[in-house]
Amino acid sequence: GESVGLHLPTLSVQEGDNSIINCAYSNSASDYFIWYKQESGKGPQFIIDIRSNMDKRQGQRVTVLLNKTVKHLSLQIAATQPGDSAVYFCAENNNAGNMLTFGGGTRLMVKP
Amino acid sequence: KAGVTQTPRYLIKTRGQQVTLSCSPISGHRSVSWYQQTPGQGLQFLFEYFSETQRNKGNFPGRFSGRQFSNSRSEMNVSTLELGDSALYLCASSLPSGGADTQYFGPGTRLTVL
Repeated sequence: GESVGLHLPTLSVQEGDNSIINCAYSNSASDYFIWYKQESGKGPQFIIDIRSNMDKRQGQRVTVLLNKTVKHLSLQIAATQPGDSAVYFCAENNNAGNMLTFGGGTRLMVKP
Repeated sequence: KAGVTQTPRYLIKTRGQQVTLSCSPISGHRSVSWYQQTPGQGLQFLFEYFSETQRNKGNFPGRFSGRQFSNSRSEMNVSTLELGDSALYLCASSLPSGGADTQYFGPGTRLTVL
């Protein structure tokens, strides 16, 4: 099966700075994308989603951008806080029910 | 609304044994999906149940099975456990809208196979 961004890089940012986490996907048929945050010892927590008929969606302090031309997804976190430290996963829905394909994740570390 | 609950939270088994994990979805959610999370393979889809029927299945051997009850609660079973089955098993629930739905995850069950 096709995969979404299988790697686990680490992004280290200063508190108050903006963070940008990137993700590449390979299934051009996917029409729904989600970002999850996972803290140590917890399950993934939904952050924001976007459907393929949009290229940008904003939430509270977060923005997701979708570039279907290059199959790229990004999560922007404004004014990053220590509580944002976690592993962030992008996931795509393969258009067959609720089967999600996850990327490898990115660890975000926020320095106070 | 209470979130997705999973029991037990931690489990230790030995090779060859079998194990059953339980998941209670968010009230009103009728779709339940299971995922396995390991450091090496990341998060991988196991299967999805909706209206007591398996709707999707990932690429796992037949030792992994599941079911869903009429109240939407779900169980997954792993028979003849192997060391490589040690993982965090996550359950996610969602409303069925006919298309792709937002899935909400539980805290997971940490299974250790010795």
